[in-house]
Amino acid sequence: DQQVKQNSPSLSVQEGRISILNCDYTNSMFDYFLWYKKYPAEGPTFLISISSIKDKNEDGRFTVFLNKSAKHLSLHIVPSQPGDSAVYFCAASATGGFKTIFGAGTRLFVKA
Amino acid sequence: SAVISQKPSRDICQRGTSLTIQCQVDSQVTMMFWYRQQPGQSLTLIATANQGSEATYESGFVIDKFPISRPNLTFSTLTVSNMSPEDSSIYLCSVKTGAGEQYFGPGTRLTVT
Repeated sequence: DQQVKQNSPSLSVQEGRISILNCDYTNSMFDYFLWYKKYPAEGPTFLISISSIKDKNEDGRFTVFLNKSAKHLSLHIVPSQPGDSAVYFCAASATGGFKTIFGAGTRLFVKA
Repeated sequence: SAVISQKPSRDICQRGTSLTIQCQVDSQVTMMFWYRQQPGQSLTLIATANQGSEATYESGFVIDKFPISRPNLTFSTLTVSNMSPEDSSIYLCSVKTGAGEQYFGPGTRLTVT
């Protein structure tokens, strides 16, 4: 049972344009959501997070939007740069729980 | 944040042998996690390792196959025992901060022939 789903295995975007990565979750107990970026031969690195009390969190070129009613979140990267090319994982956890559940990842290609 | 190192970074092992992966953190942490990422798949939690107690294993993972040690608050090991080609994967050590952010080591890429 996949509690965190990233339905797009890959996404290709032109440099300078917006990248939108989507994530859906099924467990209504999740109240903390994270995005990680992973380059080949490296471990995932934390990118940005959002608590369920917010619907938006912004950090430089990265913005995460949360739609609790739809159980959906998205990561926007503006403007996209070739160095953003990586696999992006969506993750979720619940207060009081210690396990973080990860999606399958979306591979982003940013073309120069 | 936390800086995590893992050894070895990669290994090629023969079927039936065992490999122990080491994880070192630059600060004291209560909980350490071990994940596996099989080719093209997500990160799957193997077990949670708390210092001073037995590791807690997720469904599908057992202590005999993946024994874990946690001798202090900055170090842990994961052993992959009696390996088969299906164990070929990237194994990742991870810690969680009080703020809920989770940090990962660089991973150990294991190939079993």
